[in-house]
Amino acid sequence: EVQLVESGGGSVQPGGSLRLSCADSGFTFRSYWMHWVRQAPGKGLVWVSRINSDGSSTAYADSVKGRFTISRDNAKNTLYLQMNSLRAEDTAVYYCARDAAPIAVAGTGGMDVWGQGTTVTVSS
Amino acid sequence: SYELTQPPSVSVSPGQTARITCSGDALPKQYAYWYQQKPGQAPVLVIFKDSERPSGIPERFSGSSSGTTVTLTISGVQAEDEADYYCQSADSSGTSVLFGGGTKLTVL
Repeated sequence: EVQLVESGGGSVQPGGSLRLSCADSGFTFRSYWMHWVRQAPGKGLVWVSRINSDGSSTAYADSVKGRFTISRDNAKNTLYLQMNSLRAEDTAVYYCARDAAPIAVAGTGGMDVWGQGTTVTVSS
Repeated sequence: SYELTQPPSVSVSPGQTARITCSGDALPKQYAYWYQQKPGQAPVLVIFKDSERPSGIPERFSGSSSGTTVTLTISGVQAEDEADYYCQSADSSGTSVLFGGGTKLTVL
């Protein structure tokens, strides 16, 4: 069964840092573009970032640009999100998801496998 | 900035047809995707590439596209379909991904 497992969430003070991880199980991780998506309590889904299959291309939502860094280690089948200068408004459940868009438009969505989510709370 | 617009809520009785729309200027250029999310659960992809249905998704779920609007249609709605539904697409350059604000489907 294809599965993604996130870890690394927790509570942190404003201005602090966290690194989230997302480990795959059961699919050829290195072949897929990947995304991070977050959901604040009681709110909708918000795209955060995406990375291409070999890690050479990344993109970010304006709200996290310059503070968050997405990366991957294909040898370890793991996706990462380094979050710095955290703010209260970054409080959310963070999901990693596999991109299944057609090759010609890879990275544009069609997220067919999702992790269970990891909770990040930013509060003093 | 580019946005995808969905109605906040849709209500239907069991057995009826629910239609959820999503509007955005780049939708003629980019595929749309639809996700179902139930409380406390991760989203599930129910429609991809505007109108295709992943394996395991019931046939009552369908998608269509017309100009700057895409529509998720659920025919013969069942109580288990009560959930939040999100459309998702990309900007015209394909660099940024975005979600609509979500639509809460209530089965009366």
